[in-house]
Amino acid sequence: DAGVTQSPTHLIKTRGQQVTLRCSPKSGHDTVSWYQQALGQGPQFIFQYYEEEERQRGNFPDRFSGHQFPNYSSELNVNALLLGDSALYLCASSLTGVGYTFGSGTRLTVV
Amino acid sequence: AQTVTQSQPEMSVQEAETVTLSCTYDTSESDYYLFWYKQPPSRQMILVIRQEAYKQQNATENRFSVNFQKAAKSFSLKISDSQLGDAAMYFCAYRGGYSGGGADGLTFGKGTHLIIQP
Repeated sequence: DAGVTQSPTHLIKTRGQQVTLRCSPKSGHDTVSWYQQALGQGPQFIFQYYEEEERQRGNFPDRFSGHQFPNYSSELNVNALLLGDSALYLCASSLTGVGYTFGSGTRLTVV
Repeated sequence: AQTVTQSQPEMSVQEAETVTLSCTYDTSESDYYLFWYKQPPSRQMILVIRQEAYKQQNATENRFSVNFQKAAKSFSLKISDSQLGDAAMYFCAYRGGYSGGGADGLTFGKGTHLIIQP
């Protein structure tokens, strides 16, 4: 039973570029949440997707957007990258919204 | 907005001893969930233990137990018989309950780095 899969594992982008991160949820899970974890900090909630719609959003600008596909997989898009967007991006999936399973994350470096 | 505070950036314990990690939180909700997650160098967040606020009994998972003090808004994690594999970052997290209309996202503390001395 595969857990949460995120791709790519590492990524380097230039300021002003756009990036897309991908997440495949654990089998049987229908809800996907995204988190940003800056170095030395705890993860911060970006948004959550359920039934292909954004259900809840944290305090992040509109440069951060997402999508959920019919197979429950999800993408996180970040436009106009800033140096401060450098972080570990974690995806978590769940079925009931309580039992979360996290992936190993994508390390994004903006130069 | 809910906040989670972990006041111990780093803790060190001898192997086989007991260590307690502290966590306090602030919320106006009565229905919520609290979690402790472990993040090893592999980066994946691993659930250690979960506590429902409506349950008075403290949650226990093998060597891991919590001391949940709802009135004090305190949620500490006790690790007994510490093992080398317990070394990691530990994060306390909060999630509002559905009945309170709370957000589904988790609010994390800044973490405690746990070092196990052999």
